[in-house]
Amino acid sequence: DTGVSQDPRHKITKRGQNVTFRCDPISEHNRLYWYRQTLGQGPEFLTYFQNEAQLEKSRLLSDRFSAERPKGSFSTLEIQRTEQGDSAMYLCASSAPGQGYYEQYFGPGTRLTVT
Amino acid sequence: GEDVEQSLFLSVREGDSSVINCTYTDSSSTYLYWYKQEPGAGLQLLTYIFSNMDMKQDQRLTVLLNKKDKHLSLRIADTQTGDSAIYFCAEMRGSYIPTFGRGTSLIVHP
Repeated sequence: DTGVSQDPRHKITKRGQNVTFRCDPISEHNRLYWYRQTLGQGPEFLTYFQNEAQLEKSRLLSDRFSAERPKGSFSTLEIQRTEQGDSAMYLCASSAPGQGYYEQYFGPGTRLTVT
Repeated sequence: GEDVEQSLFLSVREGDSSVINCTYTDSSSTYLYWYKQEPGAGLQLLTYIFSNMDMKQDQRLTVLLNKKDKHLSLRIADTQTGDSAIYFCAEMRGSYIPTFGRGTSLIVHP
């Protein structure tokens, strides 16, 4: 089991550019979650998928954010027209039905810096 | 106010026990969690406790839950320098989406 992986680990972009992050969950996990973590805060929920279906979105997920999980495996999170306030760590997690979805395993995160 | 509250810092000497405290607000929370985050890394699930339990022990970790006071604690016995990290308390309700506290930064002095 290779764990949850995220790519890239770091991204520096200029304000107004679009960025896309990728998450690969643990292979048998059918739920995948995206969180955002800013300095000094705990992770804040953005959205989650069960297989291909996006089941819940937080009000934090503005129109500039979109997430996909087209084949129920990896997921992408895109931020359009980035703003300085988007600078944060973006964390992905996954969970499995065999554990009642109660155990979420996190990836190492993608740190986004918007200049 | 915050749904999950934790003190921000805790400093202990190596070999002592550490106790990290957390309070939460939702009495319908089903699971309560402790995660560990090292600098620049994601969150590592340490342990969790179901709401009908009072205590859970796992090697050096002891979790105590007081449902009446909505208080959760994590005790780390024989704290080592490698335990220095940020510890997050989280509660999960029916939606399977945990709500995290701001984290407690544990500093272990040699």
